[in-house]
Amino acid sequence: NAGVTQTPKFRILKIGQSMTLQCTQDMNHNYMYWYRQDPGMGLKLIYYSVGAGITDKGEVPNGYNVSRSTTEDFPLRLELAAPSQTSVYFCASSSLGGGAGQPQHFGDGTRLSIL
Amino acid sequence: EDKVVQSPLSLVVHEGDTVTLNCSYEVTNFRSLLWYKQEKKAPTFLFMLTSSGIEKKSGRLSSILDKKELFSILNITATQTGDSAIYLCAVLAYSGAGSYQLTFGKGTKLSVIP
Repeated sequence: NAGVTQTPKFRILKIGQSMTLQCTQDMNHNYMYWYRQDPGMGLKLIYYSVGAGITDKGEVPNGYNVSRSTTEDFPLRLELAAPSQTSVYFCASSSLGGGAGQPQHFGDGTRLSIL
Repeated sequence: EDKVVQSPLSLVVHEGDTVTLNCSYEVTNFRSLLWYKQEKKAPTFLFMLTSSGIEKKSGRLSSILDKKELFSILNITATQTGDSAIYLCAVLAYSGAGSYQLTFGKGTKLSVIP
């Protein structure tokens, strides 16, 4: 069972370049999330989606865009890369039920450096 | 703004010691508190706590939630070098319109020395 798959695992970008971080899950989860993790700072929510066609901003959305055209895929786009976006990016998914939530399943992360 | 504070931020112990990690929170519309273990890559799920006073156990790890005092603890007994990791506490809250958000603490970095 693949779970949550992120590609690429590593990437170096120049300032001003754009790229898309891919995330796909095979668990038929409705909810998907993008986090960034900076050293010593925990995880911060960038964007999330409660189902295909529905996305919403998290805590730190500036400089990013997302789309959710299918249940499985939730790509994260950086349009004009900036050094402040150097971070490790995690995609996660969950299936919420009963109002109490379910644990999120995480991908292995994408380590992105902007130079 | 929802807030999750973990303490200590880092901890070094010897194998066999018992450790207690703390997590306090201030959130609106609390639903549950989750603990994750993060080694080199993705966080892996340990526990989800929804009700006060009910201890959850998995081997040498246990956790309990106090919804009145707004905190949780994660205990690890007889620590092993394989327990070395960052332990993340996260709180799930209802954010309206059928949506939920998870707010993470900064984590506690545990190092277990042989």
